This record gives sequence, structure tokens and C-alpha cells, in this order.
Amino acid sequence: AQSVSQHNHHVILSEAASLELGCNYSYGGTVNLFWYVQYPGQHLQLLLKYFSGDPLVKGIKGFEAEFIKSKFSFNLRKPSVQWSDTAEYFCAVNGENAGNNRKLIWGLGTSLAVNP
Amino acid sequence: EAGVTQSPTHLIKTRGQQATLRCSPISGHTSVYWYQQALGLGLQFLLWYDEGEERNRGNFPPRFSGRQFPNYSSELNVNALELEDSALYLCASSFSRPIDEAFFGQGTRLTVV
Repeated sequence: AQSVSQHNHHVILSEAASLELGCNYSYGGTVNLFWYVQYPGQHLQLLLKYFSGDPLVKGIKGFEAEFIKSKFSFNLRKPSVQWSDTAEYFCAVNGENAGNNRKLIWGLGTSLAVNP
Repeated sequence: EAGVTQSPTHLIKTRGQQATLRCSPISGHTSVYWYQQALGLGLQFLLWYDEGEERNRGNFPPRFSGRQFPNYSSELNVNALELEDSALYLCASSFSRPIDEAFFGQGTRLTVV
């Protein structure tokens, strides 16, 4: 069965610190990968996605993620975080029959708090 | 453009009752997804509807059911409510292409007492 694990459940950083949130998945076939963000009081929204091509994906608000197939990872990064990045971050994977089943498997999320 | 809308925003039911949650997708989207976000369990896939038909189902008992209407809006029904059903229920919609991103609504907070 597919699964997604996010290593850090709670992360606290100071502004301007660099961020890396880990995401590993278990599935040996073709995958589509997503990072979603949920700001306080708002709905989930897409940060970035990987379907194919360049494994380094750039998303909104300065976020990027790198797909490393050999490590089954899709870690999210940002060189310098801001207070407004305080949110819950979710990694999601669509693996089995990717594209046909549309069943996203989600990590448990990482709560990021950025201190001003 | 209106986003995905869900109603009601909050719902309180007693154990054994039935709950009906509603979702209106973004205009033009034909796929609707339902997820349960329970405390400590993260987001769990419930159901996927496309073009009025159920396309996929998560590992939930049959008392979780739903339907999609001709206008692509959707209902999620939960029968014989249990305390553990208390959660945030999220609806998302997307175009009916093989690979696409889903847009989420604000959710319905269901509390079973």
C-alpha cells in the first residue's frame, strides 16, 4: 500500500532561517507529487507539484521541492522563511495508476511556526 | 471566480443520526473529492466522483456514501454517526483530466456528541 511520511510534525524557525521539510513516499511506480499549504483559517491550496521533467520544481512564494526518485523523496525547501509562512504543510502523492485513480495519499502534515 | 463552497460550515449531530454535507465545485470542474481530516490522523481520502459516478473509494465503511448531481455538485452522507466521525470534512474539485490539481473548500466541521 502507498504511504507518505513527513518527518517533522512541528517546526519552529526564526525569520530568514532556511527551511527544509521532508517527505518520503512508498510506491515503486510512476508518481505525481504535491505540496499543499493551509494558512491559519484558510483552505488548503497548492504550493507546487511534480508530474514529470525537471525534478527541481518551483512553486509559489519562493518555495521549491526536489524529487529524488532513488530516495523516494520530495522535500520542500525555502531559503529564507517569513512570518507569513506560518502554516500547515502537507505532502501528497498520487501513485498507483497515477492519473487514473486520482486518489491522493497524504502525509500527516508539518506545522511550521515562524517567529518574527 | 467562486471557489469550492461547502455547507454547512459547522454541523452538530448526536450519535446514531445521519449527516448530510454539501459541496459545490468550481465552475467547469467535473470531479469532486471528499476527504476526512480527523485529529491525529491527517487527511484521509473518502470518495471521488466524476461525471456523476463514483470512481474511487477510500477505506471507509459503507455508512459513508455520497452522490454527484448533474450540475456536478455533491453530497456526502454519513449514516449511523459515531463519535469517531467527528472531523473536518473537506471537498475538493478539479477538471476531469487524468492529472490535475485539486482546489479545496473550507470544509465542514462535523461534531458528533
